[in-house]
Amino acid sequence: GDSVTQMEGPVTLSEEAFLTINCTYTATGYPSLFWYVQYPGEGLQLLLKATKADDKGSNKGFEATYRKETTSFHLEKGSVQVSDSAVYFCALLPLTGTASKLTFGTGTRLQVTL
Amino acid sequence: NAGVTQTPKFQVLKTGQSMTLQCAQDMNHEYMSWYRQDPGMGLRLIHYSVGAGITDQGEVPNGYNVSRSTTEDFPLRLLSAAPSQTSVYFCASSSSGGAKETQYFGPGTRLLVL
Repeated sequence: GDSVTQMEGPVTLSEEAFLTINCTYTATGYPSLFWYVQYPGEGLQLLLKATKADDKGSNKGFEATYRKETTSFHLEKGSVQVSDSAVYFCALLPLTGTASKLTFGTGTRLQVTL
Repeated sequence: NAGVTQTPKFQVLKTGQSMTLQCAQDMNHEYMSWYRQDPGMGLRLIHYSVGAGITDQGEVPNGYNVSRSTTEDFPLRLLSAAPSQTSVYFCASSSSGGAKETQYFGPGTRLLVL
């Protein structure tokens, strides 16, 4: 079945450091890929998405490129801020599936310090 | 426009008790889902609905019931609570099916079963 694998956390960075959170997936065909963010005490919010190979999703300084050849969707940000501290989830939606059936990774906690 | 709302925010139950977690959305979305979030396991789909009167099972449906009598509401019922159901529960909705749709999440209900 479909699956998403994320790097283990927590990731601790100093403010203004470069961020990479790795995400790889296993799925039939070409799914859509998503990054969701969960701030402390809140629900999940969509951060960015890509719906076909080589697409780049971007939002709030975060970027991720849909790499079909490596089945990856790594999240990057050039300069993190303390306010970016949160849990980040990579997820996929099969091409033939319904919007209701997202498959999530286990999440990666990011802690940014001054 | 409140988006997706969930009640209660926090609940403590004794083993064997029943309860209903409420979820409502005011975006006229057809698709609604329930997920549970457990440490180290990401989010797992419990049940979902593609429209009023239509529900189906997700990855971990045992011990939970759902119904969808209106477009707006999608309650999740625990028939006889067990400690294994201690978790954070998220409701989500999206406007339609398809690989490009974005799901919108509620703030979550934290459930503790003693």
